[in-house]
This record gives sequence, structure tokens and C-alpha cells, in this order.
Amino acid sequence: DGGITQSPKYLFRKEGQNVTLSCEQNLNHDAMYWYRQDPGQGLRLIYYSQIVNDFQKGDIAEGYSVSREKKESFPLTVTSAQKNPTAFYLCASSTLGQGFSGELFFGEGSRLTVL
Amino acid sequence: AQSVAQPEDQVNVAEGNPLTVKCTYSVSGNPYLFWYVQYPNRGLQFLLKYITGDNLVKGSYGFEAEFNKSQTSFHLKKPSALVSDSALYFCAVRDPPSGAGSYQLTFGKGTKLSVIP
Repeated sequence: DGGITQSPKYLFRKEGQNVTLSCEQNLNHDAMYWYRQDPGQGLRLIYYSQIVNDFQKGDIAEGYSVSREKKESFPLTVTSAQKNPTAFYLCASSTLGQGFSGELFFGEGSRLTVL
Repeated sequence: AQSVAQPEDQVNVAEGNPLTVKCTYSVSGNPYLFWYVQYPNRGLQFLLKYITGDNLVKGSYGFEAEFNKSQTSFHLKKPSALVSDSALYFCAVRDPPSGAGSYQLTFGKGTKLSVIP
């Protein structure tokens, strides 16, 4: 079945450590996104990518980094510079251009807790 | 800037009763509006969208939404609520295109729906 796979589902990290969240999709979508979800704040866009080897900052990119070496993969690294990294992270993908219906396909999320 | 507001943090409704989850929007130009649902510790799932046409939009799981241009609202509705409808509901609006035709969505803060047996 086509979809988006995020791993790990739960992750614990000590302060000062970088951590990488995996996101893989087999929907053949060009665009991929990372969102952060905090209680009562909805979803906030961290980074997005429209094409391999290219990505743009979203609203809250500070302290995060991404790469897009393959169409199917869009990993997110939460660096030690992120001041408040404990959150639920969601990866999504979509088609591009006029073919974009507005439907984002989401993974199951990764919950990061900093100890 | 595009924005959506969900004025209720939580909505409680008895099973079998009709439910409404409210959303208002602010956009420049024609609105592209969406509803998503999130079950606990899961990703979001697309429910329905309004782009153009009939003001009453039908979606998944028996949900529908009514677009009202004069009130700038896009409320989510269901005639008879089920306990399994209990979840977090997000309204979203499509931002103007950027870059190579990429569109972003701006999400509301979400409304927690609890259906009481």
C-alpha cells in the first residue's frame, strides 16, 4: 500500500544531542513537508521541499535541518540549537502545481521527548 | 496573510445528536478550504475540501461542511455523531502559490470533539 512511513514513533533524547527523524514515501509525490505539533498550537511548518536537492524554510526552521537526496526521503534533524524540541513531528507529502488538490498525506508522526 | 480560526477548543456532543465544528477564515481572493481529522497519536487524515461550486461539500465518514462567503465560515457538520468521531479536527486554508507551484496550508489550532455515549 502507498503511504508515508515515519520512524521512530517515539524517541527520547538528552539535551545537547542531535536526533534525526526519518520520513519515507512511496506515493511518487514531488513535495514533502515537516510540521511540528504542540498542544493548543495546531501545526507549524518547519521545512518543505518541492524537488530533490532543494528545500525551503517554513515558519519555525531555526534549530532544524533537512535534506532531500532522494525523491522518496526527507529526513529531519533536530539539532541541539532547538531550544524546545519536545513535540510531535509530522511528515507529509503532496503533488505539486495545479494538480495539488489541497490534500496532504501524513505519516503517523514521531514523538520526541528531551530529557 | 491567510488565516483560519477555530473558536472552540473543545466541543462535546451526545451520540446520535448532530454536531458542528466551527471555522472562520480570512483570505485574499478565492478561498480554498479544507478539513482534516486526527485521532490520538496519529497523523492527520483529509476529510473534505471546498474549492468552488456547491456551498455544501460532502466528505469522508458522513461529514459535510457548509461554505458561507458572507460570514467567511466553513463549519464542519454531521447529522448524527458517533463515539468513534471523537478526535481532533483541523480547519485549513491554502496559501497562494510559491516557488515551483508549491502550495502550503495554514492550519487552525484544532478543535477537540468528544462524543458522549
